Amino acid sequence: EAGVVQSPRYKIIEKKQPVAFWCNPISGHNTLYWYLQNLGQGPELLIRYENEEAVDDSQLPKDRFSAERLKGVDSTLKIQPAELGDSAVYLCASSTTNEQFFGPGTRLTVL
Amino acid sequence: QKEVEQDPGPLSVPEGAIVSLNCTYSNSAFQYFMWYRQYSRKGPELLMYTYSSGNKEDGRFTAQVDKSSKYISLFIRDSQPSDSATYLCAGAPNFGNEKLTFGTGTRLTIIP
Repeated sequence: EAGVVQSPRYKIIEKKQPVAFWCNPISGHNTLYWYLQNLGQGPELLIRYENEEAVDDSQLPKDRFSAERLKGVDSTLKIQPAELGDSAVYLCASSTTNEQFFGPGTRLTVL
Repeated sequence: QKEVEQDPGPLSVPEGAIVSLNCTYSNSAFQYFMWYRQYSRKGPELLMYTYSSGNKEDGRFTAQVDKSSKYISLFIRDSQPSDSATYLCAGAPNFGNEKLTFGTGTRLTIIP
C-alpha cells in the first residue's frame, strides 16, 4: 500500500514569492491534515479536512495561507506571499478512524 | 506554557542500554497518548499509543501514562543503533480524527 505522497520534497524560494505544496493521501482515507514542523519542534496542526470540508482551520494564518481539498482526495496548501519565518517542513497526514499516517514532508526554505 | 512539554535532548546512550524518554502535559482533556518516531528527513511514524493511565508493552518498547501527575514515558530496552531518531510524544482527546498536540521531540542517538 502506498503511503502519503507529498511534492515537492524540497523548495527554495525568495521572500514575497508564492509557493504551493501538494499532498495525495492514502487511498480511502477521508481525513487529511496539514502540519507545520519548525526546526527542533514537534508538528503543529494547520488545518484538518473531513472529505472536502475544512473542519479545523483555527491555526491556519489565513492572511497568507490557503488550502483546498477538491473532490475530497488530494490537497494543496499555498502560501502567498512567503516570509522568511515560513521556512519549515510542511507535513501532510491522513487517517480513517484511528492512526494518522504522515508523509515525508516538504522542506521549504525562504531566502 | 505549551500543552505538551518534552526535553529536546540530545540524548546519547551506548548500545544495549535502557532508554527513558519523558513528557508532561497540561491539558486534562487528553485521553490518548502517542509516541512517534521520526528519522531524519522522514515523516513521523506511530510507535505506540495508550489510553488513559497505565502501561503498554510492544517488544522492546513500553509506554507508561500517569494521568494523576500528567506524566508520559517511553522505555526502550536493549537499545539498538537503528533506534537512533527523534521521538515525539503527543496527546489528544480521542484517538483518530483529531488534532494531535506534540512535544518538541527528543533526539536520541544509540552509540554502537
